[in-house]
Amino acid sequence: DAKTTQPTSMDCAEGRAANLPCNHSTISGNEYVYWYRQIHSQGPQYIIHGLKNNETNEMASLIITEDRKSSTLILPHATLRDTAVYYCIVRVVTGTASKLTFGTGTRLQVTL
Amino acid sequence: NAGVTQTPKFQVLKTGQSMTLQCAQDMNHEYMSWYRQDPGMGLRLIHYSVGAGITDQGEVPNGYNVSRSTTEDFPLRLLSAAPSQTSVYFCASSSGTGTYGYTFGSGTRLTVV
Repeated sequence: DAKTTQPTSMDCAEGRAANLPCNHSTISGNEYVYWYRQIHSQGPQYIIHGLKNNETNEMASLIITEDRKSSTLILPHATLRDTAVYYCIVRVVTGTASKLTFGTGTRLQVTL
Repeated sequence: NAGVTQTPKFQVLKTGQSMTLQCAQDMNHEYMSWYRQDPGMGLRLIHYSVGAGITDQGEVPNGYNVSRSTTEDFPLRLLSAAPSQTSVYFCASSSGTGTYGYTFGSGTRLTVV
């Protein structure tokens, strides 16, 4: 699975959009981009994933650049409960589930 | 629907003791896995299973054993606990290819003294 690079930490004011970048310049054509988050000491939580098109669900939007070398997770209206570590992961989706390779992620602090 | 249940939530062991961390899921997921997370680090894969009777090693398997006798359960055994195994352990499961995400348990915080 390709490596990813994320900023160590970011701040965001409550109610504003949080834009979390991820660089995955060595991504292969069959690798998906996944985002998970980990709130405090809880287990990671799946947020969203995409291959090359932009994706949106009830939690967030995922913007993938045309060359697929980077992506941005957007939380449109951040709340204090969105304070967490956000992990960007790339992986091949094959016939069976496979491991997730976690980096150190981005620590997002949402403030009043 | 309980999802992924891990027990115990906290455990303190003495060096050399053995114990089993329990993981159970009620979603009929084929894939189950164990990760450990050390302070300030991301999760690292210990062992995984793609179905009952099938297990394989992840990136940090030494000192741990697993078995998968049923689809629901995937226990992790520490054979002889060492202080280096002090960590938070997470179990995760997924159906099929895992395309729509993995479900994680709430973790077991283990301290080896």
